[in-house]
Amino acid sequence: QKEVEQNSGPLSVPEGAIASLNCTYSDRVSQSFFWYRQYSGKSPELIMSIYSNGDKEDGRFTAQLNKASQYVSLLIRDSQPSDSATYLCAVMNRDDKIIFGKGTRLHILP
Amino acid sequence: EADIYQTPRYLVIGTGKKITLECSQTMGHDKMYWYQQDPGMELHLIHYSYGVNSTEKGDLSSESTVSRIRTEHFPLTLESARPSHTSQYLCASSAQNRAGANVLTFGAGSRLTVL
Repeated sequence: QKEVEQNSGPLSVPEGAIASLNCTYSDRVSQSFFWYRQYSGKSPELIMSIYSNGDKEDGRFTAQLNKASQYVSLLIRDSQPSDSATYLCAVMNRDDKIIFGKGTRLHILP
Repeated sequence: EADIYQTPRYLVIGTGKKITLECSQTMGHDKMYWYQQDPGMELHLIHYSYGVNSTEKGDLSSESTVSRIRTEHFPLTLESARPSHTSQYLCASSAQNRAGANVLTFGAGSRLTVL
């Protein structure tokens, strides 16, 4: 089982709708979780970090964490064409290393 | 703008050549990382360092080597490049935030093509 799993997509969402991205992780003791956005040919950039169960909101982005289910998600409200990118879920494991999932490609349809 | 710099951004080189990819950060971060990413594929951790004179291999086996003689500098070296080394190499650094988590800042990457 991979440490961090994501559906690779592509996920197509109409402009203005909510995009929902999901991620599961295998190391039950993981405490820190991150969502990065990566545009084609560019480096990843941090969007959100979350450490406690529940929701964390920042502008149009909401991260959700459920440690019992080992599940973390990212919601993007009012999706814009500029949100089209690959979204990487990352988890800090028990060795303090940051492990990335394969990423989900998101397409926002104008 | 990120304070982590990678050079060269693009490198095309012949098989058997020795190459060094440079990575420098001005943020005073103790932890630095090298990730390898093929186009459209996931990032794989190949090396990391938690401070000067500390280097460890990551989860993906790599023929490259790294050194950490100064806090700000974490170069990656391939003694004899091969076409299988063609990839994007991303350097990152991190410091612990108030929650105790390592938040990564990435450089722009070095895209290596070995002919």
